[in-house]
Amino acid sequence: EAGVVQSPRYKIIEKKQPVAFWCNPISGHNTLYWYRQNLGQGPELLIRYENEEAVDDSQLPKDRFSAERLKGVDSTLKIQPAELGDSAVYLCASSRGLAGGTDTQYFGPGTRLTVL
Amino acid sequence: ILNVEQSPQSLHVQEGDSTNFTCSFPSSNFYALHWYRWETAKSPEALFVMTLNGDEKKKGRISATLNTKEGYSYLYIKGSQPEDSATYLCASPDTGGFKTIFGAGTRLFVKA
Repeated sequence: EAGVVQSPRYKIIEKKQPVAFWCNPISGHNTLYWYRQNLGQGPELLIRYENEEAVDDSQLPKDRFSAERLKGVDSTLKIQPAELGDSAVYLCASSRGLAGGTDTQYFGPGTRLTVL
Repeated sequence: ILNVEQSPQSLHVQEGDSTNFTCSFPSSNFYALHWYRWETAKSPEALFVMTLNGDEKKKGRISATLNTKEGYSYLYIKGSQPEDSATYLCASPDTGGFKTIFGAGTRLFVKA
């Protein structure tokens, strides 16, 4: 079974530039997550999709961040414009969407973003 | 919001040492406790999911225990090897069981 695919793996941009990250989840996984991990901290949820519907985007800074999951498969996360504080690792994960908290998430390798 | 804490923040051990680290979580409204291993430049990988008080899981030299009444889980590594060097994350779902809250991780360095 192919794992979660993310691209790019690394991205360096100047502040105020736009950037986009792409994620292809494991086939058959209905739930897709985007996390941001700042240095020294655990991953923090930005947005969670059930199929093509964003069911939890409460932590997504909507003034500059946007996400989409067209057709309920792959997803794109965009930042426009990027700020210095956006430097972090952006992780995508997918899961079967089991209820009750036992749902194991499968992660991609992440995109390490550096904003200069 | 649920707060998941891990200690220590980092740990340096010699090859062959056994080690353990702690994950603390609120004991009320408990759903499950997940452990993940994240090696540098790789994807975080699921190790265990635990739900029952007193549960113990084992995978090779790695094992984990769970105490839901007092709100902690221990991860043990027996006879650490350099390939065990990684960040170990624990996570627990928030109210409703869907939003996963991660701890900051314990970074393990095993020296040959």
